Amino acid sequence: EVQLAQSGAELKKPGESLKISCKGHGYKFTNYWIGWVRQMSGKGLEWMALVHPGDSDTRYSPSSEGHVTISVDKSITTAFLQWRSLKASDTAMYFCVRSPTTIYFDAWGQGSLVTVSS
Amino acid sequence: QSALTQPASVSGSPGQSITVSCAGTSNDVGSFDYVSWYQQLPGKAPRLIIYDVNNRPSGVSNRFSGSKSGNTASLAISGLQSEDEADYYCSSLTTTTTLLFGTGTKVTVL
Repeated sequence: EVQLAQSGAELKKPGESLKISCKGHGYKFTNYWIGWVRQMSGKGLEWMALVHPGDSDTRYSPSSEGHVTISVDKSITTAFLQWRSLKASDTAMYFCVRSPTTIYFDAWGQGSLVTVSS
Repeated sequence: QSALTQPASVSGSPGQSITVSCAGTSNDVGSFDYVSWYQQLPGKAPRLIIYDVNNRPSGVSNRFSGSKSGNTASLAISGLQSEDEADYYCSSLTTTTTLLFGTGTKVTVL
């Protein structure tokens, strides 16, 4: 069974750094893109970034590029999303996603809630 | 980039058929047959129900179907059931190789 197991909820202050993780299980990790989708409370879905574990090729949405960094460690079948300096507006649920082709997401993690508040 | 436009809400009675629209532009929906649809039950992660305009992943009910005409894609749900009550989102590849989601539609079963 395909599973994307995400790290737990985080409470951070503005300006702090953060790295959340997503471990893939039950499939050949290097055959699929893996990435992140954001959902602010009561709002819609926003695609943020994708990375290919085979060659570390990365894709970012225009609004995410420069603010977050996506990375992957294929030795532990885990993808990461990192912030160097969080803002209150980063408060959201972050879903890990798997993609066969970068065009659609055929598996989703359970979500990691990030709260940024002073 | 602006999100694809979906109606805020659509409702129907059990057994009826409903359609959810997803309006884009010639830079996204109109350029590729790469529209997908996701169902998000309350408090849950989204689930893929349609990809490449009209393909269903294994395990998805054939009551869900997709189509596209020009810059607008549509999701049809036939034989509406109470378990279909959820938020539905469309998504499309864009000409700048990014992915754009729709604004989301709340489907209510009366």
